Amino acid sequence: KAGVTQTPRYLIKTRGQQVTLSCSPISGHRSVSWYQQTPGQGLQFLFEYFSETQRNKGNFPGRFSGRQFSNSRSEMNVSTLELGDSALYLCASSLVTGNTEAFFGQGTRLTVV
Amino acid sequence: GENVEQHPSTLSVQEGDSAVIKCTYSDSASNYFPWYKQELGKGPQLIIDIRSNVGEKKDQRIAVTLNKTAKHFSLHITETQPEDSAVYFCAASIGGKLIFGQGTELSVKP
Repeated sequence: KAGVTQTPRYLIKTRGQQVTLSCSPISGHRSVSWYQQTPGQGLQFLFEYFSETQRNKGNFPGRFSGRQFSNSRSEMNVSTLELGDSALYLCASSLVTGNTEAFFGQGTRLTVV
Repeated sequence: GENVEQHPSTLSVQEGDSAVIKCTYSDSASNYFPWYKQELGKGPQLIIDIRSNVGEKKDQRIAVTLNKTAKHFSLHITETQPEDSAVYFCAASIGGKLIFGQGTELSVKP
């Protein structure tokens, strides 16, 4: 059974640009959550999507957005990139929404220069 | 607000010894507490979890305990091995959102 797949693994972008990251959850899982991991702030929740609807949102500016498709694949977008957006972006897949097991992908390492 | 405190931040043990990592959460609405192991260059891996209606759970060398009254939960690893070396994160789930502790870097010396 394939795990959570995130693409790309690495990205380098320039300040002011925008970026789109992709996440394919485990087959049959319908919930996808996104997290930002940095050395200073640790792992922080961005948002969760279930059945193509955003169910929960963390404390991030509106430059961070996401969506989920009918096949449960999800994308997150960051517009007007800032140096502080450099981080490991992790996607977690769950069977359903709510307090249940979440399985993480390997992450996308974004560097903003 | 929602907060999870994790201690210690670093832990060094000899192979074969036990390791204990402790976490405290703030929101009494939390009812699901997973633990993750993250190795260098990889995403967090779920290693064990516990729900608020259970006080203890074991899986081979790993056990987790939960004290709902005190809002504490702990990870216990017995008979540590060098391959247990990694960063461990506790988390508390509120409505599907995971609030993570800051992590514990465990080093197991052969």
